[in-house]
Amino acid sequence: GQQVQQSPTSLVLQEGENAELQCNFSTSLNSMQWFYQRPGGSLISVFYNPSGTKQSGRLTSTTVIKERRSSLHISSSQITDSGTYLCAMVWNQGGSAKLIFGEGTKLTVSS
Amino acid sequence: EAAVTQSPRSKVAVTGGKVTLSCHQTNNHDYMYWYRQDTGHGLRLIHYSYVADSTEKGDIPDGYKASRPSQENFSLILELASLSQTAVYFCASSEAGGASQNTLYFGAGTRLSVL
Repeated sequence: GQQVQQSPTSLVLQEGENAELQCNFSTSLNSMQWFYQRPGGSLISVFYNPSGTKQSGRLTSTTVIKERRSSLHISSSQITDSGTYLCAMVWNQGGSAKLIFGEGTKLTVSS
Repeated sequence: EAAVTQSPRSKVAVTGGKVTLSCHQTNNHDYMYWYRQDTGHGLRLIHYSYVADSTEKGDIPDGYKASRPSQENFSLILELASLSQTAVYFCASSEAGGASQNTLYFGAGTRLSVL
C-alpha cells in the first residue's frame, strides 16, 4: 500500500540552529500536508503544499511531486518549536481523498 | 476558530468491556474522521463520515464501529475492547473529504488504556 517515510525519526537542536525534515512517498500523490503536534497534544496544520515552495515565518516547505518528496525547513529554531512534525499525503480513493500519515519527526530544541 | 472537542480525554477500560469515544465539532463541517496514533505507526484512519447517519470504513476498521447521529457528533465504539486497542485516538473534521485545500481540524485526543 501507500507509504510515507519521514526522516530523521528524532532531532535534537540547540536554540538558533536550523532543522531540515524530510518526507518521502512510495507512490504518486495529489498533494501533501505538514502537521505540527505539541507534546501530548493535538495536531495543527502547518502547510498544505501540493508543489513548489511555501514559506510562513521561519518555516519553509518544498514539495517536488515528480520526485515524491517534501521537506520542511525550520530556521533559527526556538524552544517552542519542540514537538512532533508529521507529513501526510493526500490520496484519492473511490471519489474521495484521504490522508496517509508518516510516523513523524520528534524535534527537541534546547537552550 | 474551528473547534473539535473530544471526550473523555483519557480512559482506562477493561478487556472485553465496551468503550465509547465521543467527538463534537462546531465547524459546520461535513466530514469527520477517527484516527488512532501508536508509537511507530503514525496516524491511521479507522472510520470516517461525510454525512449524518452514514459512516465509512477507513484503513483499520476491524474491532471498531462508528456512529454519526448528527452533523456535529461522531462517536467511535469499541464493543469488546482489547489490549491492542490501547492508543491515542484523534477525531478530526474537514469541510471537504481528505482535506485537499480544506485542512483537517483535530481534537485534543483521547488516551485509551485497555487493561
